[in-house]
Amino acid sequence: QKEVEQNSGPLSVPEGAIASLNCTYSDRGSQSFFWYRQYSGKSPELIMFIYSNGDKEDGRFTAQLNKASQYVSLLIRDSQPSDSATYLCAVKEDSNYQLIWGAGTKLIIKP
Amino acid sequence: GAVVSQHPSRVICKSGTSVKIECRSLDFQATTMFWYRQFPKQSLMLMATSNEGSKATYEQGVEKDKFLINHASLTLSTLTVTSAHPEDSSFYICSARQADNEQFFGPGTRLTVL
Repeated sequence: QKEVEQNSGPLSVPEGAIASLNCTYSDRGSQSFFWYRQYSGKSPELIMFIYSNGDKEDGRFTAQLNKASQYVSLLIRDSQPSDSATYLCAVKEDSNYQLIWGAGTKLIIKP
Repeated sequence: GAVVSQHPSRVICKSGTSVKIECRSLDFQATTMFWYRQFPKQSLMLMATSNEGSKATYEQGVEKDKFLINHASLTLSTLTVTSAHPEDSSFYICSARQADNEQFFGPGTRLTVL
């Protein structure tokens, strides 16, 4: 069974600090990795995707991928209260168009 | 770009009625659309994968005769919840896949069955 694991949280981070969200996956054949943000009562929105080992930066967000450790993370710099949401990690194989979803980590940014 | 719309955004119906939800990709062609269901405080649950012009592929445990999916064109997929019951009350979300892998989500439809 292919699995994507996330700590459900809540993860509480003070405003202005770095929030670090982690995700592990079981299938070594996974090739594409996605981070989505979901506000309460809303549908998920894509924040970032990463395909290659290393870091990928986009504004305050950095995705980190380590395929050897089967680990992908999302860093949010200068956290804002508006970043408070549930963050979903999703993993995709090249041979399969479906995404395998983590259960999400609830992030709370405290003013 | 990559905008996906859903209609209606909210629906309340009586038990036993059928409800149709539309999902449209507004600015791209989506060969594949996905339908998810999410209960309160739970994660997304994939119900089915819909490919244009072919039958949908349903996940284990999802009744294909109850949740009818039609993907008639590259920009439109519909989900019909037939003979809805209170336990079908949920947040239904569609997503559309672009050729370069990312899935983009519609805003969701909140269904309440009385």
